[in-house]
Amino acid sequence: SQQGEEDPQALSIQEGENATMNCSYKTSINNLQWYRQNSGRGLVHLILIRSNEREKHSGRLRVTLDTSKKSSSLLITASRAADTASYFCATINTDKLIFGTGTRLQVFP
Amino acid sequence: DAGVIQSPRHEVTEMGQEVTLRCKPISGHDYLFWYRQTMMRGLELLIYFNNNVPIDDSGMPEDRFSAKMPNASFSTLKIQPSEPRDSAVYFCASRTPGHSGELFFGEGSRLTVL
Repeated sequence: SQQGEEDPQALSIQEGENATMNCSYKTSINNLQWYRQNSGRGLVHLILIRSNEREKHSGRLRVTLDTSKKSSSLLITASRAADTASYFCATINTDKLIFGTGTRLQVFP
Repeated sequence: DAGVIQSPRHEVTEMGQEVTLRCKPISGHDYLFWYRQTMMRGLELLIYFNNNVPIDDSGMPEDRFSAKMPNASFSTLKIQPSEPRDSAVYFCASRTPGHSGELFFGEGSRLTVL
């Protein structure tokens, strides 16, 4: 079963613009993670935010977490064509990492 | 480290045939997960192991699916007999010790059952 739902399902932007993806989840969490998947490849971990954190930065990535709303957002600033990929949020349920439905991001040069 | 290694990368087979997918996790990782990805259902967790022991196989769709982890460096996912609806990309992932550890994914095995 999927824990998270990403919004939007698909997003198309121009290089240099910011991309924001949202994730909603259903149960309480210890942490929330974001992953990236390039076409035809495996998922790659991007960033983890713990339940007691509200915001975290890593390079051009900014993640926020609102546990009261059971939601998180991933912001990619100054996007590049190479950021074109699918992005997934994931939450831990006991030992299991459950993934959301993903957002397909297309960045046009 | 070479990362999580999966084989084969692509498999095309006919309905009714047995399929075996293989995974070598990253050395030192104590958790191993098998996921299935399809357009319709997204990423589904099939089964996971901790220290080579299956912990939760509730995601395994049917008795046709089985998974083993005979040692810390090898796992298999077997489908027997295969059906066209099993067509998907199957991912193996391993994790460092600790509940917050990130998952490291292999490149996947794309299975097509005709």
